[in-house]
Amino acid sequence: QVQLQESGPGLVKPSGTLSLTCAVSGGSISSSSWWSWVRQPPGKGLECIGEIYDSGSTNYNPSLKSRVTISVDKSKNQFSLRLSSVTAADTAVYYCARYQHQLYDSWGQGTLVTVSS
Amino acid sequence: DTQLTQSPSFLSASVGDRVTITCRASHGIRSYLAWYQQKPGKAPKPLIYAASTLQSGVPSRFSGSGSGTEFTLTISSLQPEDFATYYCQQLNNYPYTFGQGTKLEIK
Repeated sequence: QVQLQESGPGLVKPSGTLSLTCAVSGGSISSSSWWSWVRQPPGKGLECIGEIYDSGSTNYNPSLKSRVTISVDKSKNQFSLRLSSVTAADTAVYYCARYQHQLYDSWGQGTLVTVSS
Repeated sequence: DTQLTQSPSFLSASVGDRVTITCRASHGIRSYLAWYQQKPGKAPKPLIYAASTLQSGVPSRFSGSGSGTEFTLTISSLQPEDFATYYCQQLNNYPYTFGQGTKLEIK
Protein backbone atom coordinates (compact mmCIF):
# COMPACT_ATOMS: atom_id res chain seq x y z
CA GLN A 1 0.00 0.00 0.00
CA VAL A 2 1.56 3.28 -1.09
CA GLN A 3 1.99 5.93 1.61
CA LEU A 4 2.41 9.66 1.16
CA GLN A 5 3.90 12.17 3.60
CA GLU A 6 3.91 15.94 3.23
CA SER A 7 6.69 18.11 4.63
CA GLY A 8 7.58 21.77 4.60
CA PRO A 9 7.32 25.01 6.57
CA GLY A 10 4.15 25.54 8.54
CA LEU A 11 4.40 29.32 8.39
CA VAL A 12 4.96 31.48 5.31
CA LYS A 13 5.03 35.27 5.14
CA PRO A 14 2.60 37.16 2.90
CA SER A 15 3.96 37.64 -0.64
CA GLY A 16 6.36 34.77 -0.05
CA THR A 17 6.48 31.33 -1.62
CA LEU A 18 4.95 28.21 -0.12
CA SER A 19 7.04 25.09 -0.75
CA LEU A 20 5.97 21.56 0.15
CA THR A 21 7.28 18.10 -0.66
CA CYS A 22 5.42 14.81 -0.75
CA ALA A 23 7.48 11.69 -0.15
CA VAL A 24 6.08 8.49 -1.65
CA SER A 25 6.84 5.16 0.02
CA GLY A 26 5.65 1.62 -0.55
CA GLY A 27 5.58 2.14 -4.30
CA SER A 28 7.28 3.92 -7.18
CA ILE A 29 6.36 7.41 -8.29
CA SER A 30 6.92 6.07 -11.82
CA SER A 31 3.81 3.91 -11.67
CA SER A 32 1.51 5.37 -14.33
CA SER A 33 -0.30 7.58 -11.82
CA TRP A 34 -1.01 11.25 -11.47
CA TRP A 35 0.37 12.79 -8.28
CA SER A 36 -1.74 15.61 -6.92
CA TRP A 37 -2.00 18.46 -4.46
CA VAL A 38 -5.29 19.33 -2.77
CA ARG A 39 -5.91 21.98 -0.14
CA GLN A 40 -8.57 22.68 2.46
CA PRO A 41 -8.88 26.07 4.20
CA PRO A 42 -9.83 25.75 7.88
CA GLY A 43 -13.48 24.77 8.20
CA LYS A 44 -14.02 24.77 4.44
CA GLY A 45 -14.12 22.39 1.49
CA LEU A 46 -11.55 20.75 -0.75
CA GLU A 47 -9.81 22.31 -3.76
CA CYS A 48 -7.55 20.65 -6.32
CA ILE A 49 -4.37 22.66 -6.91
CA GLY A 50 -2.62 20.65 -9.58
CA GLU A 51 -1.18 17.32 -10.59
CA ILE A 52 1.86 15.82 -12.27
CA TYR A 53 2.53 12.59 -14.14
CA ASP A 54 5.84 10.80 -13.81
CA SER A 55 6.70 11.99 -17.33
CA GLY A 56 6.53 15.55 -16.03
CA SER A 57 3.21 16.48 -17.64
CA THR A 58 1.15 18.77 -15.44
CA ASN A 59 -2.38 20.05 -15.01
CA TYR A 60 -3.08 23.11 -12.86
CA ASN A 61 -6.27 24.62 -11.50
CA PRO A 62 -6.80 27.72 -13.67
CA SER A 63 -7.61 29.76 -10.57
CA LEU A 64 -4.06 29.17 -9.28
CA LYS A 65 -2.14 28.44 -12.47
CA SER A 66 -0.18 31.69 -12.57
CA ARG A 67 1.27 31.00 -9.11
CA VAL A 68 1.72 27.21 -9.03
CA THR A 69 4.57 24.93 -10.01
CA ILE A 70 4.52 21.17 -9.40
CA SER A 71 7.63 19.10 -10.05
CA VAL A 72 8.72 15.49 -9.61
CA ASP A 73 12.03 14.03 -8.44
CA LYS A 74 12.10 10.38 -9.44
CA SER A 75 15.49 9.77 -7.81
CA LYS A 76 13.98 10.68 -4.43
CA ASN A 77 10.54 9.22 -5.16
CA GLN A 78 8.87 12.50 -4.30
CA PHE A 79 7.03 15.42 -5.83
CA SER A 80 6.80 19.05 -4.81
CA LEU A 81 4.52 22.08 -4.79
CA ARG A 82 5.51 25.71 -5.02
CA LEU A 83 2.88 28.44 -4.64
CA SER A 84 4.11 32.00 -5.04
CA SER A 85 2.80 35.39 -3.92
CA VAL A 86 0.81 33.86 -1.08
CA THR A 87 -1.82 35.73 0.93
CA ALA A 88 -3.90 34.84 3.97
CA ALA A 89 -6.39 33.20 1.58
CA ASP A 90 -3.78 30.49 0.94
CA THR A 91 -3.84 29.40 4.58
CA ALA A 92 -5.00 25.79 4.46
CA VAL A 93 -4.23 22.17 5.14
CA TYR A 94 -2.33 20.94 2.10
CA TYR A 95 -2.67 17.28 1.11
CA CYS A 96 -0.78 15.28 -1.45
CA ALA A 97 -2.65 12.41 -3.07
CA ARG A 98 -2.39 9.78 -5.78
CA TYR A 99 -4.93 9.76 -8.61
CA GLN A 100 -5.52 6.35 -10.06
CA HIS A 101 -8.53 4.67 -11.67
CA GLN A 102 -10.92 7.61 -11.30
CA LEU A 103 -10.15 8.14 -7.64
CA TYR A 104 -7.74 9.86 -5.28
CA ASP A 105 -7.01 6.53 -3.65
CA SER A 106 -4.10 7.40 -1.35
CA TRP A 107 -3.66 10.57 0.68
CA GLY A 108 -1.02 12.06 2.91
CA GLN A 109 -2.02 13.07 6.43
CA GLY A 110 -2.00 16.75 5.46
CA THR A 111 0.06 19.68 6.67
CA LEU A 112 -1.26 23.03 7.86
CA VAL A 113 0.36 26.03 6.22
CA THR A 114 -0.42 29.42 7.72
CA VAL A 115 0.29 32.64 5.83
CA SER A 116 1.06 35.35 8.36
CA SER A 117 3.69 37.94 9.13
CA ASP B 1 -15.17 24.37 -14.05
CA THR B 2 -17.83 21.81 -13.29
CA GLN B 3 -19.80 22.80 -10.20
CA LEU B 4 -21.04 20.12 -7.82
CA THR B 5 -23.88 20.82 -5.40
CA GLN B 6 -24.53 18.44 -2.54
CA SER B 7 -27.80 18.19 -0.64
CA PRO B 8 -28.39 18.39 2.16
CA SER B 9 -25.44 20.31 3.59
CA PHE B 10 -26.30 19.04 7.08
CA LEU B 11 -28.02 15.83 8.03
CA SER B 12 -29.02 14.63 11.47
CA ALA B 13 -29.69 10.90 11.80
CA SER B 14 -29.63 8.01 14.25
CA VAL B 15 -27.67 4.78 14.37
CA GLY B 16 -29.44 2.25 12.18
CA ASP B 17 -31.03 4.85 9.89
CA ARG B 18 -30.80 4.73 6.11
CA VAL B 19 -29.50 8.01 4.69
CA THR B 20 -29.05 9.35 1.18
CA ILE B 21 -26.88 12.25 0.02
CA THR B 22 -27.35 13.76 -3.42
CA CYS B 23 -24.69 15.34 -5.65
CA ARG B 24 -25.71 17.31 -8.73
CA ALA B 25 -23.26 18.40 -11.44
CA SER B 26 -23.58 21.61 -13.44
CA HIS B 27 -23.18 19.59 -16.60
CA GLY B 28 -22.81 15.94 -17.53
CA ILE B 29 -19.84 14.07 -16.13
CA ARG B 30 -20.77 10.55 -17.32
CA SER B 31 -19.91 8.28 -14.36
CA TYR B 32 -16.72 10.07 -13.34
CA LEU B 33 -17.78 10.66 -9.76
CA ALA B 34 -16.19 9.66 -6.48
CA TRP B 35 -17.28 9.88 -2.84
CA TYR B 36 -15.08 10.48 0.20
CA GLN B 37 -15.59 10.45 3.96
CA GLN B 38 -13.67 12.91 6.11
CA LYS B 39 -13.40 13.00 9.89
CA PRO B 40 -12.02 16.01 11.81
CA GLY B 41 -8.27 16.38 11.50
CA LYS B 42 -7.99 13.53 9.01
CA ALA B 43 -7.48 13.21 5.29
CA PRO B 44 -10.46 12.25 3.14
CA LYS B 45 -11.03 8.51 2.89
CA PRO B 46 -12.09 7.20 -0.53
CA LEU B 47 -15.36 5.29 -0.50
CA ILE B 48 -16.69 4.95 -4.04
CA TYR B 49 -15.40 5.61 -7.56
CA ALA B 50 -16.92 5.48 -11.02
CA ALA B 51 -20.20 6.50 -9.34
CA SER B 52 -20.99 3.04 -7.97
CA THR B 53 -17.83 0.97 -7.43
CA LEU B 54 -16.94 0.36 -3.80
CA GLN B 55 -13.29 0.99 -2.93
CA SER B 56 -11.51 -2.01 -1.43
CA GLY B 57 -12.15 -2.39 2.28
CA VAL B 58 -15.22 -0.13 2.41
CA PRO B 59 -18.23 -1.73 4.14
CA SER B 60 -21.07 -2.87 1.89
CA ARG B 61 -23.56 -0.63 3.70
CA PHE B 62 -22.18 2.16 1.49
CA SER B 63 -23.45 2.33 -2.07
CA GLY B 64 -23.46 4.84 -4.88
CA SER B 65 -25.53 5.36 -8.00
CA GLY B 66 -26.17 7.78 -10.82
CA SER B 67 -24.69 9.08 -14.05
CA GLY B 68 -24.72 12.27 -16.05
CA THR B 69 -25.66 15.05 -13.64
CA GLU B 70 -27.29 13.37 -10.63
CA PHE B 71 -25.67 11.01 -8.18
CA THR B 72 -26.44 9.57 -4.76
CA LEU B 73 -24.52 8.08 -1.87
CA THR B 74 -26.56 5.81 0.39
CA ILE B 75 -25.64 4.37 3.76
CA SER B 76 -28.07 1.54 4.42
CA SER B 77 -27.74 1.30 8.21
CA LEU B 78 -25.74 4.01 9.96
CA GLN B 79 -23.03 2.92 12.33
CA PRO B 80 -21.42 5.16 14.98
CA GLU B 81 -18.22 5.44 12.94
CA ASP B 82 -20.14 6.82 9.93
CA PHE B 83 -20.76 10.23 11.47
CA ALA B 84 -18.48 12.45 9.42
CA THR B 85 -18.47 14.85 6.48
CA TYR B 86 -18.99 13.42 2.99
CA TYR B 87 -17.75 14.93 -0.26
CA CYS B 88 -18.44 14.09 -3.88
CA GLN B 89 -15.81 14.80 -6.54
CA GLN B 90 -16.04 14.88 -10.31
CA LEU B 91 -13.11 13.46 -12.26
CA ASN B 92 -14.47 14.05 -15.75
CA ASN B 93 -12.45 17.15 -16.51
CA TYR B 94 -9.67 19.01 -14.74
CA PRO B 95 -9.81 20.77 -12.30
CA TYR B 96 -11.46 17.90 -10.48
CA THR B 97 -13.92 19.77 -8.32
CA PHE B 98 -15.55 18.74 -5.06
CA GLY B 99 -18.99 19.33 -3.67
CA GLN B 100 -19.28 21.60 -0.65
CA GLY B 101 -19.72 18.65 1.70
CA THR B 102 -22.50 17.09 3.74
CA LYS B 103 -22.00 16.93 7.48
CA LEU B 104 -23.70 13.88 8.98
CA GLU B 105 -24.40 14.31 12.67
CA ILE B 106 -25.85 12.13 15.37
CA LYS B 107 -29.46 12.91 16.23
